[in-house]
Amino acid sequence: QSALTQPRSVSGSPGQSVTISCTGTSSDVGLYNYVSWYQQHPGKAPKVIIHDVTERPSGVPDRFSGSKSGNTASLTISGLQTEDEADYFCCSYADRYTPHWMFGGGTKLTVL
Amino acid sequence: QVQLQASGPGLVKPSETLSLTCTVSGYSINNGYYWGWIRQPPGKGLEWIANVFRSGNTYFNPSLKSRVTISVDTSKNQFSLRLRSVTAADTAVYYCARENGDNAFDYWGQGTLVTVAS
Repeated sequence: QSALTQPRSVSGSPGQSVTISCTGTSSDVGLYNYVSWYQQHPGKAPKVIIHDVTERPSGVPDRFSGSKSGNTASLTISGLQTEDEADYFCCSYADRYTPHWMFGGGTKLTVL
Repeated sequence: QVQLQASGPGLVKPSETLSLTCTVSGYSINNGYYWGWIRQPPGKGLEWIANVFRSGNTYFNPSLKSRVTISVDTSKNQFSLRLRSVTAADTAVYYCARENGDNAFDYWGQGTLVTVAS
């Protein structure tokens, strides 16, 4: 199965907002509200920042928000801070043929 | 605090079997949740491999299923991965992680680099 589609890179200035898209199909993102987002700094393990499309785990700033429309999920980061510069990955549950998880290819966020 | 620690050989020869073990501390696998493996080739994205439940119930990435075995040892609070017939394309950092009840991977190990080379 193909990975979910994300832009390779996005950028923004401190204080601005950016949105990262994650496009799947009607068998994964479009069918289930089991989309999560992960932040990964260089050399570190990923950290979950959004689960179930819109929910933030405890301790994650409310600058991070998630949404979904049709087969595309989105992560919006408002009030960009320099420490937000990282790679971001989306993940969705899918069950075409067999239940499984799919990740997006990742998006590099640069805070200018 | 839940912690996961992956361990295993850092170098595996082509065509051989990659074997990794994840030791969980701060939480008993017997208490529930699925436990899984996710890998990341150098400079690339994440790829989910497989998950296992305390009962031994499993589910797999369809593209890897034919080469993967995942198992759990609740007495040691560990779960393990075996990937057969490896090639250079299997070179990656391998993470172990917990899939929680919120449909996400909430705790991750530090990752272990496995290189496939002769």
